[in-house]
Amino acid sequence: AQSVTQPDARVTVSEGASLQLRCKYSYSATPYLFWYVQYPRQGLQLLLKYYSGDPVVQGVNGFEAEFSKSNSSFHLRKASVHWSDSAVYFCAVSIGAGGADRLTFGKGTQLIIQP
Amino acid sequence: DPKIIQKPKYLVAVTGSEKILICEQYLGHNAMYWYRQSAKKPLEFMFSYSYQKLMDNQTASSRFQPQSSKKNHLDLQITALKPDDSATYFCASSQDREYEQYFGPGTRLTVL
Repeated sequence: AQSVTQPDARVTVSEGASLQLRCKYSYSATPYLFWYVQYPRQGLQLLLKYYSGDPVVQGVNGFEAEFSKSNSSFHLRKASVHWSDSAVYFCAVSIGAGGADRLTFGKGTQLIIQP
Repeated sequence: DPKIIQKPKYLVAVTGSEKILICEQYLGHNAMYWYRQSAKKPLEFMFSYSYQKLMDNQTASSRFQPQSSKKNHLDLQITALKPDDSATYFCASSQDREYEQYFGPGTRLTVL
């Protein structure tokens, strides 16, 4: 079964600094990959997705992620964080079976932005 | 306007009772899902439906029963509630052959 590991439960970054949130997956093939963000007391919002092609994908609000097949990773990056980026970020995978395919989530990384 | 509606937003129940969580989506999607998020476990998949048919079930307990009365509805009935059922339950939906899922705001269930 596929699994997703987000090794950092919490990351603290100064406002304006760059950010990387790590995600590694375990699956025999290349799954479909996603990053979601959850703001306090809200549902999950899709940041970006990777299906195939260019390993660097762009998302909303200046986020991007890079897929690495050799490392089984899909790390999220942002060049300059804003205080409003404070939230919990989830990496998720789908095996792409088509139709109603389940998402498997990592445990999430809480991002704290310091002024 | 919210595209995925979940009702109620908060729910308090007593042990042993039964509750129904409501989910409606107005995205025109054909696939719908339930996920659960608790303090003890990360977000975990429960059920998926496609064209109102059950596709996948990862919930071990029969106390959890999804109900799809309409194409854009997927309710979740939970019977014989236990304190361990306390969690936030998220409904999601996706288009047929696409894989990104869109989530509702959740129903936070507390079982006393």
